[in-house]
Amino acid sequence: GAGVSQTPSNKVTEKGKYVELRCDPISGHTALYWYRQSLGQGPEFLIYFQGTGAADDSGLPNDRFFAVRPEGSVSTLKIQRTERGDSAVYLCASSPGTGAQPQHFGDGTRLSIL
Amino acid sequence: GNSVTQMEGPVTLSEEAFLTINCTYTATGYPSLFWYVQYPGEGLQLLLKATKADDKGSNKGFEATYRKETTSFHLEKGSVQVSDSAVYFCALSDRAIIQGAQKLVFGQGTRLTINP
Repeated sequence: GAGVSQTPSNKVTEKGKYVELRCDPISGHTALYWYRQSLGQGPEFLIYFQGTGAADDSGLPNDRFFAVRPEGSVSTLKIQRTERGDSAVYLCASSPGTGAQPQHFGDGTRLSIL
Repeated sequence: GNSVTQMEGPVTLSEEAFLTINCTYTATGYPSLFWYVQYPGEGLQLLLKATKADDKGSNKGFEATYRKETTSFHLEKGSVQVSDSAVYFCALSDRAIIQGAQKLVFGQGTRLTINP
């Protein structure tokens, strides 16, 4: 079956621009996570959705970052006024949300801010 | 807060060598522990997990035992193959996963290269 799909796979943009990153989770998975992975580091948690609501957004670095999941399936991570330090691989993961189920990761979006 | 510290890489071994990648953690409560693997050109995949003290996770010849007394979850494999070359991440979740979904805290990753 289909895994977690992230688009685009690569995004290059100029400092100050607005970007949107999309995540399509595994069908039926109610939990959705966004992580950010800088070069040579492990993924760092950004935000977690259970259904349509953000259950934990404690990892968002500042108010330039925002994420939505309006219908409880696809999620969009939005970054305003991008800075060079935002360059990283943004990972999305989903899980069934209940019980001892692992998170399934997408291949990520590599974001480069020039 | 919760944190994970991994053995620094890169690690280079010959085929059939014994592998250990060290992982220690700091956490409140009773975390679940995981090893994820990222093969070249692929996304993160769960390799194995353990949900309580003294549990042993195993998969593809890899093993790791949840040691609460030493706050460790070292990854081991008795005889590595070239196909094991990848980046390995140790991670914890901040509550027992039977309580539902929650965020993972990752170590910095260890790059493993196996030479034929």
